[in-house]
Amino acid sequence: EVQLVESGGGSVQPGTSLRLSCAASGFTFSSYWMHWVRQAPGEGLVWVSRINIDGSKADYADFVKGRFTVSRDNGENTLFLQMDSLRPEDTAVYYCAKEMPPIRYPHSWGQGTLVTVSS
Amino acid sequence: QSALTQPASVSGSPGQSIIIFCSGTDTDIGAYHFVSWYQQHPGKVPKLLIYDVTERPSGVSSRFSGSKSGNTASLTISGLQDEDEADYFCSSYTGSDTLIFGSGTRVSVL
Repeated sequence: EVQLVESGGGSVQPGTSLRLSCAASGFTFSSYWMHWVRQAPGEGLVWVSRINIDGSKADYADFVKGRFTVSRDNGENTLFLQMDSLRPEDTAVYYCAKEMPPIRYPHSWGQGTLVTVSS
Repeated sequence: QSALTQPASVSGSPGQSIIIFCSGTDTDIGAYHFVSWYQQHPGKVPKLLIYDVTERPSGVSSRFSGSKSGNTASLTISGLQDEDEADYFCSSYTGSDTLIFGSGTRVSVL
């Protein structure tokens, strides 16, 4: 069974950093592209980033370019999102999700981790 | 890039069919055959209903179908059921290899 478990969320002040992790199990992690998607409380889904199978290619939404960095450790079956220069508008539940070829969209999702940015 | 445009709400009676439209541009929906639809019940994670405009993942009911015309994609829910009451989000890949979601539509079953 596919399991994705996010961690690392919390309450932080604007301008600070946070690193989210997503522990994967139940599938061959190194064979799948992975995504980060966020959802502010009561709001819609917003795509953040995705990374290819070996970490050599990453794509980002414009509003996080230069602030967020996605990476992965295939040996540890873990996906990361390094978030720097956090802003109040980054407050959201952050989900990691895997693709399921030939489906190249977020298919299986974790339960999410809440990030709150507030002074 | 701005979110794709969806109506805030759509409603229908049990057994009816409803259509949710998702409006984009010629750099996302209009440019590619890469549109997907998600269903999200309150407090739950999103579930993929449709991918590549018309395809259904294994296990998704055939009551859900997708289509596209120009810069607008649509999701049709046939034989509306109480359990279909949820939020629905479209998404599309763009020319810059990014994914954008729609603003979301709340479906109510009357």
